[in-house]
Amino acid sequence: TQLLEQSPQFLSIQEGENLTVYCNSSSVFSSLQWYRQEPGEGPVLLVTVVTGGEVKKLKRLTFQFGDARKDSSLHITAAQPGDTGLYLCAGAERGSTLGRLYFGRGTQLTVWP
Amino acid sequence: NAGVTQTPKFQVLKTGQSMTLQCAQDMNHEYMSWYRQDPGMGLRLIHYSVGAGITDQGEVPNGYNVSRSTTEDFPLRLLSAAPSQTSVYFCASSFRSPGSSRATQYFGPGTRLTVL
Repeated sequence: TQLLEQSPQFLSIQEGENLTVYCNSSSVFSSLQWYRQEPGEGPVLLVTVVTGGEVKKLKRLTFQFGDARKDSSLHITAAQPGDTGLYLCAGAERGSTLGRLYFGRGTQLTVWP
Repeated sequence: NAGVTQTPKFQVLKTGQSMTLQCAQDMNHEYMSWYRQDPGMGLRLIHYSVGAGITDQGEVPNGYNVSRSTTEDFPLRLLSAAPSQTSVYFCASSFRSPGSSRATQYFGPGTRLTVL
């Protein structure tokens, strides 16, 4: 059983379109992170959100942490081919031993020119 | 700084063989973790360490051993390889708890392991 459910699993869009990726759980997290991974490389951290309702922006990427700290979303405005990659959410479960981070299955995004 | 380094990059084993995946970091990070990544499964935590001499199990620890004798190194040992351990293995490190808002977890480039 996956602690974090990501959707959609695959997303194929044209350059310029907007998209949203969701990360949901029935568990409460002390923090939630979003990573981006390119083929043959390890994931790279994009953002960490820790406060319920928190919104963080990174250029065209907007990250939101749910009020109850059980879910998060990643919104990309005007997607570009350079945004192509595997997006992973990961949560530090509230009350769990420090160091344990749980990942979702990932969303493979392809942006066509 | 080299960051997080992993060796080897690729490895093929036969069922029953043993091997050690090496991981080293030069950032003086306390926290280190081993993950495996399988298609459609995301990353799953195998073992992690919150400092030298301290290790703990993650989600999928069976078949793997770790030790942390120094801050820099965190090797992962496969005692008797099985085809189910075919995967890409990532090592990661961070200065504070990887879930902390003040921490960035850095990943190595991965080791692609095939067990025949």
